[in-house]
Amino acid sequence: EIVLTQSPGTLSLSPGERATLSCRASQSVSSYLAWYQQKPGQAPRLLIYDAFNRATGIPARFSGSGSGTDFTLTISSLEPEDFAVYYCQQRSNWPPWTFGQGTKVEIK
Amino acid sequence: QVQMVESGGGVVQPGRSLRLSCAASGFSFSTYGFHWVRQAPGKGLEWVAAIWSDGSKEYYTDSVKGRFTVSRDSSKSTLYLQMNSLRDDDTAVYYCARDSAVGTFDLWGQGTLVTVSS
Repeated sequence: EIVLTQSPGTLSLSPGERATLSCRASQSVSSYLAWYQQKPGQAPRLLIYDAFNRATGIPARFSGSGSGTDFTLTISSLEPEDFAVYYCQQRSNWPPWTFGQGTKVEIK
Repeated sequence: QVQMVESGGGVVQPGRSLRLSCAASGFSFSTYGFHWVRQAPGKGLEWVAAIWSDGSKEYYTDSVKGRFTVSRDSSKSTLYLQMNSLRDDDTAVYYCARDSAVGTFDLWGQGTLVTVSS
């Protein structure tokens, strides 16, 4: 089973700042990594798939990069609605499909 | 409107059964595979089960193998999760998710809460 480790656990930032979230895989997942956003009481929403492709309707301030074992989700300038929990997820080696433990982006 | 709506959650005693449903609308149900993903209170996301678009293959996380069964009815555009021998640690919000590329979850339902408690 591929283990995904996200860092940091919590990121405290102000609106307008840049957010950089990390996801590290226990073995290579090639580019088969996605990022999801989840707000309290809501279902997750797909942001990025296959490492760097934005899902439909996702603003350009969200970008993904990386391959192999190290991946990054960058939010170029935080909007108030971006404060949420973010999860990475791999689809390289399954089952199981696995998620990271999440990074919470909170208002500083 | 493209959406999926779960139902069937509730409070159930340990050892009992529950069936969750996920009704899809606004897209061609039969051309997609689907997954169930759960989230225990205050915890992260855990993949539970998957079924292929034609229903030919099913996959389960180890902790539910032999207890849970995923199925689909294309005539009703509905996905199911039959959960038997429920345990306390099955308590979670259960989400259905559409598969757009063998493990990319591009559309989610709103979730249904299952609480296993005596």
